[in-house]
Amino acid sequence: AQSVTQLGSHVSVSEGALVLLRCNYSSSVPPYLFWYVQYPNQGLQLLLKYTSAATLVKGINGFEAEFKKSETSFHLTKPSAHMSDAAEYFCAVVNSGGSNYKLTFGKGTLLTVNP
Amino acid sequence: DAGVTQSPTHLIKTRGQQVTLRCSPKSGHDTVSWYQQALGQGPQFIFQYYEEEERQRGNFPDRFSGHQFPNYSSELNVNALLLGDSALYLCASSLRTGRVAFFGQGTRLTVV
Repeated sequence: AQSVTQLGSHVSVSEGALVLLRCNYSSSVPPYLFWYVQYPNQGLQLLLKYTSAATLVKGINGFEAEFKKSETSFHLTKPSAHMSDAAEYFCAVVNSGGSNYKLTFGKGTLLTVNP
Repeated sequence: DAGVTQSPTHLIKTRGQQVTLRCSPKSGHDTVSWYQQALGQGPQFIFQYYEEEERQRGNFPDRFSGHQFPNYSSELNVNALLLGDSALYLCASSLRTGRVAFFGQGTRLTVV
């Protein structure tokens, strides 16, 4: 079974400050991990993915995340927040092989950026 | 390059009715998955279609059914609608390995 825990349902930062959104996962097999962003009344946009290559992955809009197997974590960071980063962020896990293709999502973290 | 497209964008139905949602996958993708996102929650996996067959199913009742066509597009059907079926329904497409999913804009279903 897989699960994702996103610590902090709401994170608030000032414009220009560091963004850190936390994600911990549980998986019985090697995982692939993803961060998606959702703007109000829209679908999910893929920010970045870990698919067992480099553990530090870079995504769109200046975001990056590091896969840490020992800590079962995949935290999302951005050095300097922009007003346009305000959105809901979802971490997700899927098996890297086998017949289980289901993406399991966390409950999401709402990011607010203050001017 | 067209991404994943879904129709309609919004829909209002009455309890007990039936609804059909549609999805066209991203160009080059052959696998379609459907997710339900209730308000304030993360998406929940309904099922995945590959080669016109349901390859995997999540924990949803039989009222939820689907179909995939030879051009890889897909439909999600929900029968006997309940108030609790009100949600954003998301379609995702991927290659046959099914691991990296790209999502559409969703269909907002409201059951009254």
